[in-house]
Amino acid sequence: GENVGLHLPTLSVQEGDNSIINCAYSNSASDYFIWYKQESGKGPQFIIDIRSNMDKRQGQRVTVLLNKTVKHLSLQIAATQPGDSAVYFCAENKDTGRRALTFGSGTRLQVQP
Amino acid sequence: GAVVSQHPSRVICKSGTSVKIECRSLDFQATTMFWYRQFPKQSLMLMATSNEGSKATYEQGVEKDKFLINHASLTLSTLTVTSAHPEDSSFYICSARRASGGNEQFFGPGTRLTVL
Repeated sequence: GENVGLHLPTLSVQEGDNSIINCAYSNSASDYFIWYKQESGKGPQFIIDIRSNMDKRQGQRVTVLLNKTVKHLSLQIAATQPGDSAVYFCAENKDTGRRALTFGSGTRLQVQP
Repeated sequence: GAVVSQHPSRVICKSGTSVKIECRSLDFQATTMFWYRQFPKQSLMLMATSNEGSKATYEQGVEKDKFLINHASLTLSTLTVTSAHPEDSSFYICSARRASGGNEQFFGPGTRLTVL
């Protein structure tokens, strides 16, 4: 089933490098997308969001790119720091009424000092 | 602002007992709260949508009689796992949306449930 797996894909980067985390979403009707960071034993922490009428949005050290043609979302983290090490999830709002979110399977980011 | 708390943060119980988990929006009102479950090394799976003053909406495959949800006020939703079994052991996370509107969901810190 969806999101079943024993191993999260892992991205390992050196401190100071840029990181790119990718996500494929499933519903072309989704109108809102969010990236979350989750540290071990904690709830998800909001990073950045983007609406479907945009293709790029920038925050502090982070950029989200949305490609609706191929249903692809990416998170770029500039000058990655050890504190960025966590699991990153993309989420899409499939249900425009309830605003419920569907989460992607996640990517573990490991930053090597 | 926009802080969501959960209580307890972790709970260990015996098989067959019931456990109640609280989700509170501390500094805003939330007409809608969501309950998620997360198994180790997996993603968050939506269990149900909790609506203040009305019945919760459950996702397919989630037993409403086993996972009782009550959203009696604009700042509190509770999830009761009834007759818990070891397979219910998981990380339960709630989120809340502002009653004043907006897309963002604010997540609680999660509750680790272990059923022996």
